[in-house]
Amino acid sequence: GENVEQHPSTLSVQEGDSAVIKCTYSDSASNYFPWYKQELGKRPQLIIDIRSNVGEKKDQRIAVTLNKTAKHFSLHITETQPEDSAVYFCAASKRSSGSRLTFGEGTQLTVNP
Amino acid sequence: DVKVTQSSRYLVKRTGEKVFLECVQDMDHENMFWYRQDPGLGLRLIYFSYDVKMKEKGDIPEGYSVSREKKERFSLILESASTNQTSMYLCASSLLGYSYEQYFGPGTRLTVT
Repeated sequence: GENVEQHPSTLSVQEGDSAVIKCTYSDSASNYFPWYKQELGKRPQLIIDIRSNVGEKKDQRIAVTLNKTAKHFSLHITETQPEDSAVYFCAASKRSSGSRLTFGEGTQLTVNP
Repeated sequence: DVKVTQSSRYLVKRTGEKVFLECVQDMDHENMFWYRQDPGLGLRLIYFSYDVKMKEKGDIPEGYSVSREKKERFSLILESASTNQTSMYLCASSLLGYSYEQYFGPGTRLTVT
């Protein structure tokens, strides 16, 4: 089955800096890659996703890039703010697996004021 | 407004007890999921269901069973709770298909003593 690895497990940045979280996946058939954010004590929520026919997608301060050849994708957060502090999960899915997502281990991002 | 609710936020049970965790969604979603969340291990899929009375095993189904008698309700059952099932349990739902957002419930923190 699919295996998704996520790095780093913890990331601490100063407010205003950029943060990058990277994920690799094993199944070359995977073609949908969402990112979920979980604030402390809250439920995970989708923040951005990308499909394999696209190399990059941006939404204000967040962006996701995908390299299908290398089988990795990354989340980029620019101009970080304290409210960006959360656990971020990447995930992968493919059409034949139905609605099933395989999640990475998560990254605890801390933005220091 | 999207809503996924879980029957309890915190639950304490004794080893060997039968435990029921219930999830209800009001979005008429076909898919429902049960995940287990442990630090450093991400979100691991226990079971999911794409229709009433249908279920499929996820990555860690051992020691768990599920029931879906109505479209809006998905129950996770621990037949004989053990201490290694102490964890956060998250329910989610989504539309049928492989690239739709999963909406999560608030989670149930289960402690087995």
